[in-house]
Order: sequence, then C-alpha cells, then structure tokens
Amino acid sequence: AQKVTQAQTEISVVEKEDVTLDCVYETRDTTYYLFWYKQPPSGELVFLIRRNSFDEQNEISGRYSWNFQKSTSSFNFTITASQVVDSAVYFCALRAHSGGYQKVTFGTGTKLQVIP
Amino acid sequence: ETGVTQTPRHLVMGMTNKKSLKCEQHLGHNAMYWYKQSAKKPLELMFVYSLEERVENNSVPSRFSPECPNSSHLFLHLHTLQPEDSALYLCASSQDPQGAYEQYFGPGTRLTVT
Repeated sequence: AQKVTQAQTEISVVEKEDVTLDCVYETRDTTYYLFWYKQPPSGELVFLIRRNSFDEQNEISGRYSWNFQKSTSSFNFTITASQVVDSAVYFCALRAHSGGYQKVTFGTGTKLQVIP
Repeated sequence: ETGVTQTPRHLVMGMTNKKSLKCEQHLGHNAMYWYKQSAKKPLELMFVYSLEERVENNSVPSRFSPECPNSSHLFLHLHTLQPEDSALYLCASSQDPQGAYEQYFGPGTRLTVT
C-alpha cells in the first residue's frame, strides 16, 4: 500500500516570508516517483516537480526548492520570499511501481495563504 | 497555452438528467485520466485510459460511464447521479502510460447535482 501525508491543512504567511510545506510518504517499493502540484483558485492543477527515488539531489527553481530525504521518507517543498500569487493548494503525490497500473496517490493538500 | 481543455466548466443537473463532460488534450500524450475532487478529500482516481484502452476503473458506480474515442479526447457520461456526486471533475493526461511522468490537468468541471 502507498500513502501520502500532508499534515499541514492550512498555512498563512505574510508576504516575503519563507514557508515549507511538508510531505511524508509510505511505500514498500524501492522504485517510485514523487510529485508536487499547485492548484490555484482557478482549479487547474499545475505540475511543479517530479523526482524519482534514485535521485536524492535537492532541487532549486527560482524561489522554489525541494528537499528529498529517503531516510525520513519526506519530500518537502519550500517557497522563499513568498508572494501573493503563491496562494493556492499544494498537493504532494506518489507513484510507486507496484501501486497498481497508473495509480498515483495524492495527499490531501496544504492550503497556503500569503497575506500582503 | 492550454494543453488540456474541459467543457463545460460548470454544470448543474438534476438526478434524472443525462449529461456528458468532455476533455481534450493537445499535448500528444498517450494516457488520459478522470479524477473526482470533493471538499476535504484527496483526489480520487476514477478511470485511466492508455492508448484509448481503459486500463483502470477504481470501483466507480455505473452511473459514470467513460469513453475514449481517440488519444486526444475523453468523455465522462453521467446519468441518474446522486447529490453526493457533486464535485470538481478533473481530466488529466500524461505522456507515459505507466504513470511515471507528470500529469497535466485541465481546469475541471464543477458539477452540482440537485
């Protein structure tokens, strides 16, 4: 079985603050893929990053960075110098090799509100 | 650029109506998906099509009937729905039928069943 836990239901920060969104996953597979998606109020989920289980190198893309730690089964997402446009619901997702054909498990999402 | 489009964006229907949701992807992908997103619940995968063949059906009630006439189009036919079926229905596509690559989502259809 595979599971994704996003313990933070809602987070509010003031603009320009840094914020970290937590994601903890469970899988028995050694081969798996992790994803982050952003869902703004318009409703459309937007892909942010994909990481496979053999690549623990952290990634930075502009104000976004991701910290993948297999030892703690976590794939956390940090936004530096947050902006109002970052306000959205963020989903972490897991695709495990044995999770069933095509099955991607999503977390329940973290709603981020950036206050101007 | 809008890679995945969905129509209609909003739909209100009675329990005895029949309606269809449409999804179209312009990305040349091989796999298409239907998800249901209800308030305070994780995204629920409903159906998966790979190369126009249904490869997964997650115990979805028969009042939801998918159709994939070609790799670019996906439909969800609705009939005799229940109020608890009210939700945001999201369509997605991906290049990899095995699901290892990211999915690209449409804006969704907000369905209200009265």
